[in-house]
Amino acid sequence: NAGVMQNPRHLVRRRGQEARLRCSPMKGHSHVYWYRQLPEEGLKFMVYLQKENIIDESGMPKERFSAEFPKEGPSILRIQQVVRGDSAAYFCASSPVRNLINTEAFFGQGTRLTVV
Amino acid sequence: AQSVTQLDSQVPVFEEAPVELRCNYSSSVSVYLFWYVQYPNQGLQLLLKYLSGSTLVKGINGFEAEFNKSQTSFHLRKPSVHISDTAEYFCAVGTLLSGSARQLTFGSGTQLTVLP
Repeated sequence: NAGVMQNPRHLVRRRGQEARLRCSPMKGHSHVYWYRQLPEEGLKFMVYLQKENIIDESGMPKERFSAEFPKEGPSILRIQQVVRGDSAAYFCASSPVRNLINTEAFFGQGTRLTVV
Repeated sequence: AQSVTQLDSQVPVFEEAPVELRCNYSSSVSVYLFWYVQYPNQGLQLLLKYLSGSTLVKGINGFEAEFNKSQTSFHLRKPSVHISDTAEYFCAVGTLLSGSARQLTFGSGTQLTVLP
């Protein structure tokens, strides 16, 4: 029973390149959440997706960042034209239903993005 | 809006000693409180959660937390720690919005280091 799988675990990009982070939720989970953890800070919510739909993207930067969760395949967090300030750990979580109060969200191991 | 403050970024403690990790929150609506643990190079794992009812909540690995509404606190405690408890601990608050929670707000984390 695999947990939430994120890849790659570590990603190095030069300034101006694109970064693609992938998240495969737990089997049977159709809700995915992306969080960013900047150095010395807690996790900050970015976006919440269901299959083929973005439900809440209130935490996403307005430019360069996008997310999708297609009908088939993993959820993708895409960062275009990366800058040094994008260096962070990006965590994905999944849950079987929408409500995060009564249902535990399971987290992946994260992708550590380093922009050089 | 809600926020979470973890007052200590680092807590060193000797093995078999008791420990308390502090967490204060602010929210304008009813809250639900969580503690997560992150072992090195792993994702977040739920330790315990407070939804309603008894203010003393017991979690996994011998941890417990007490919800104090008047002091807006949710401190995590363990009477006797082990080396294996060395990890980063995150306090989080979730609020119920229109019947479902869209996101969790995390504190900046407390690194617990258990010394032999």
